[in-house]
Amino acid sequence: GAVVSQHPSRVICKSGTSVKIECRSLDFQATTMFWYRQFPKKSLMLMATSNEGSKATYEQGVEKDKFLINHASLTLSTLTVTSAHPEDSSFYICSASVPGQGAQPQHFGDGTRLSIL
Amino acid sequence: AQSVTQLDSQVPVFEEAPVELRCNYSSSVSVYLFWYVQYPNQGLQLLLKYLSGSTLVKGINGFEAEFNKSQTSFHLRKPSVHISDTAEYFCAVSDTFGNEKLTFGTGTRLTIIP
Repeated sequence: GAVVSQHPSRVICKSGTSVKIECRSLDFQATTMFWYRQFPKKSLMLMATSNEGSKATYEQGVEKDKFLINHASLTLSTLTVTSAHPEDSSFYICSASVPGQGAQPQHFGDGTRLSIL
Repeated sequence: AQSVTQLDSQVPVFEEAPVELRCNYSSSVSVYLFWYVQYPNQGLQLLLKYLSGSTLVKGINGFEAEFNKSQTSFHLRKPSVHISDTAEYFCAVSDTFGNEKLTFGTGTRLTIIP
């Protein structure tokens, strides 16, 4: 089945650091990937839609300069949290759909736990 | 725009008992419906999906769900739960027009009591 790999699984860093999270589709090409943020005991909030070869589409209220998304290839999207602060601590999850197969559900990575000290 | 309501934030169930996790949605257009399961510190795994056709859909791990258009519901059921079913369960919807965005409910924490 379709596999999405996310790396790293956990990051602990100091305030002010920029952190990059990678999302890879391992056995399919994904023209579109999605980035979600999940707060403790809360649902997933869609942050942005990552489009291969073009700019990401951000949801309302998400700072595009804070959360930089790059989708340079059909198998890799990256989310960079710039100048991270404690309030950016969260669980970040990416997902991708297998294209060309109709209404396929999204396949999710295992998430990245980001802790800013 | 769509919205999803999962009224039960926590559901404790004894092992081998049946369970139903409720999901209601709101949408002005036709939708696809999904149930995902999340184990601690992991991403989401698809349990089952309703796209069209039979309103009763069967998924992995013995789960099933029934789409009820008149009641705008998509409740998840399992006749006999196991300890390993302890997890967070999310109901989600997307429109049927090729927009792959998912709208999630707030989740239901299923706890199995030995």
